[in-house]
Amino acid sequence: DAGITQSPRHKVTETGTPVTLRCHQTENHRYMYWYRQDPGHGLRLIHYSYGVKDTDKGEVSDGYSVSRSKTEDFLLTLESATSSQTSVYFCATQHGEIYNEQFFGPGTRLTVL
Amino acid sequence: GENVEQHPSTLSVQEGDSAVIKCTYSDSASNYFPWYKQELGKGPQLIIDIRSNVGEKKDQRIAVTLNKTAKHFSLHITETQPEDSAVYFCAASTLYSGGSNYKLTFGKGTLLTVNP
Repeated sequence: DAGITQSPRHKVTETGTPVTLRCHQTENHRYMYWYRQDPGHGLRLIHYSYGVKDTDKGEVSDGYSVSRSKTEDFLLTLESATSSQTSVYFCATQHGEIYNEQFFGPGTRLTVL
Repeated sequence: GENVEQHPSTLSVQEGDSAVIKCTYSDSASNYFPWYKQELGKGPQLIIDIRSNVGEKKDQRIAVTLNKTAKHFSLHITETQPEDSAVYFCAASTLYSGGSNYKLTFGKGTLLTVNP
């Protein structure tokens, strides 16, 4: 599991409040990803990082921002949470180049009321 | 962009039977095809993968086949056991333009139930 932890594991918040989810890895993997998982949609990429301070958008990035100030930490922020962002969020890491596997964390279940 | 279709969405088998899950992809540049198993309340776990230069790969009771011409790949589980019950996801991977990391596009998943 590449030593991936996510915090918090569960969170309930109200519409309009800011929320930050944290992903921490201990394997020194270069690449990190944030996905959301919703019924009927599978896993969809929100943002990814290819190094410290290097990030880019995925297919469902609207309403989300990310930051990576250290190799081991990748933060996902919802600036103003909406009910449509109720989901399970997964962080993943990938070691490096050439056909490398992505390893997933345990997930964070976020409910926006 | 890449589009991955996965079928069936649900599959119920008797213990000991075989299970087959099929996926198709659209981008001929895709070159890496992993399969993930997700148990309830957990993150997806890689169970097997196949590269585009290989047609078939086996790991004990699990096998994956790839047909690049037809752009489809399949997961085969033989002698199914109740602990195989989970959601299975296929994915297709392409190299990011100018980069060295891989973008995974996932199918929507198959809920496999193995009945004792």
